[in-house]
Amino acid sequence: EAQVTQNPRYLITVTGKKLTVTCSQNMNHEYMSWYRQDPGLGLRQIYYSMNVEVTDKGDVPEGYKVSRKEKRNFPLILESPSPNQTSLYFCASSPGIQGYVLSFGQGTRLTVV
Amino acid sequence: KNEVEQSPQNLTAQEGEFITINCSYSVGISALHWLQQHPGGGIVSLFMLSSGKKKHGRLIATINIQEKHSSLHITASHPRDSAVYICAVRNIGGGADGLTFGKGTHLIIQP
Repeated sequence: EAQVTQNPRYLITVTGKKLTVTCSQNMNHEYMSWYRQDPGLGLRQIYYSMNVEVTDKGDVPEGYKVSRKEKRNFPLILESPSPNQTSLYFCASSPGIQGYVLSFGQGTRLTVV
Repeated sequence: KNEVEQSPQNLTAQEGEFITINCSYSVGISALHWLQQHPGGGIVSLFMLSSGKKKHGRLIATINIQEKHSSLHITASHPRDSAVYICAVRNIGGGADGLTFGKGTHLIIQP
C-alpha cells in the first residue's frame, strides 16, 4: 500500500532531550515536507526537500533540523525541544513540487514538558 | 506572502444539505489544494486545481483565478463528511515555495 509513515504517533518528552520523528514514504516521491499544526494558526511548513541532499527552510524552521540522505526518508530532528514545540506534526510527500497532490502521514502529536 | 482566508470558520448543517466552503487568496497562485482532516487527525488530499472545476463523488471544487477564489461544494451531505476542510495555495514564482494554508473550516453534519 502506498503510504507515508510517521513514527511515533504520540510522544511526550522533556525540555532539552533530543528527539527524532521519522517519516518514510514508499512511493518514490521526490518532494517531502514537514508541517506543524497549532490551534488557530493552521498548518505551517517547517522544512521541505526537493530531492536527496536538497533541503530548505519553510516558514517556521527555528529549533528544527532535517536531513534527506535517502529518497524515502525525511526525519525531523529537535535537538533541544522546548514547550513551544508542543504541536501536531505532519510529514507529506508528492512526486514533485508542482502539479501534484500531497500524501500525508498520520501525524505525530508531540508534547514537550 | 499569500494570505489565505476561508469562510465560514464553522458550519453546522443537517444531513442532506448542500454545503459550500469558500477560500480566497491575495496573490497569484500556480495551484490550489483542498484537504480534509477528520477528527482522528489524519489529512487527506481531496483536490488540486489550477483552473476550472473538478468533481469526485459528491464533492465539487471550483476555482476562479481572476477573482482569486475557490469553493468546495458537498452535495447530499452526510454525517461522515464532518471534518475540517483546509484550503492551501502554492504561489507562482521561481524557487521552491511552500504551501500557504488557510485555517480551516470546521464542518459538522447532523443526522
